[in-house]
Amino acid sequence: DAGITQSPRHKVTETGTPVTLRCHQTENHRYMYWYRQDPGHGLRLIHYSYGVKDTDKGEVSDGYSVSRSKTEDFLLTLESATSSQTSVYFCAISESQPFNQPQHFGDGTRLSIL
Amino acid sequence: AQTVTQSQPEMSVQEAETVTLSCTYDTSENNYYLFWYKQPPSRQMILVIRQEAYKQQNATENRFSVNFQKAAKSFSLKISDSQLGDTAMYFCAFMKLQGAQKLVFGQGTRLTINP
Repeated sequence: DAGITQSPRHKVTETGTPVTLRCHQTENHRYMYWYRQDPGHGLRLIHYSYGVKDTDKGEVSDGYSVSRSKTEDFLLTLESATSSQTSVYFCAISESQPFNQPQHFGDGTRLSIL
Repeated sequence: AQTVTQSQPEMSVQEAETVTLSCTYDTSENNYYLFWYKQPPSRQMILVIRQEAYKQQNATENRFSVNFQKAAKSFSLKISDSQLGDTAMYFCAFMKLQGAQKLVFGQGTRLTINP
């Protein structure tokens, strides 16, 4: 299994509080991604990173920010959590070459905003 | 923008039967990859099979095979001799060949294998 650790695994918090989710990899892969999974929507890309300090927005980036100060860590922050951000969050990693390498996923973080 | 559609929210078959999950996609790209991921109740995302669009031959992995119809933009997954352990959510996903390797997922199909 690819070395991806997401923390925490579960979190319950209140509306308006800041939340940070962490993704840690031991594979030294270039690309890291954050997705959210909601019923009826599959997984949707929030933000991704293509190197240290290099990040870009995905399909559903509003209300989220990310940071990558080291190759192995990719942080997802909800500055002021809302109930609509209740979801399961997945981190994924991939290498750039060879190109057809699939993304490997962490085990997910279940986040509940009350 | 690319879109992926899985029109079967749920399916149920008996153990040992063959089942086919449907996936259609929309893109203007000519070269791309398609994937099927499996998500069992443990919530892990497990790659089942992948297909390169420039390859005409359909991909096969043991009991799993695809029917890739590029002109029709269709990418179905066939599971032969289904097993109880195949019970899971199945997601179809698209990836462009250029730039960051971002995946676009379908909505998923919940497959139940009954004993």
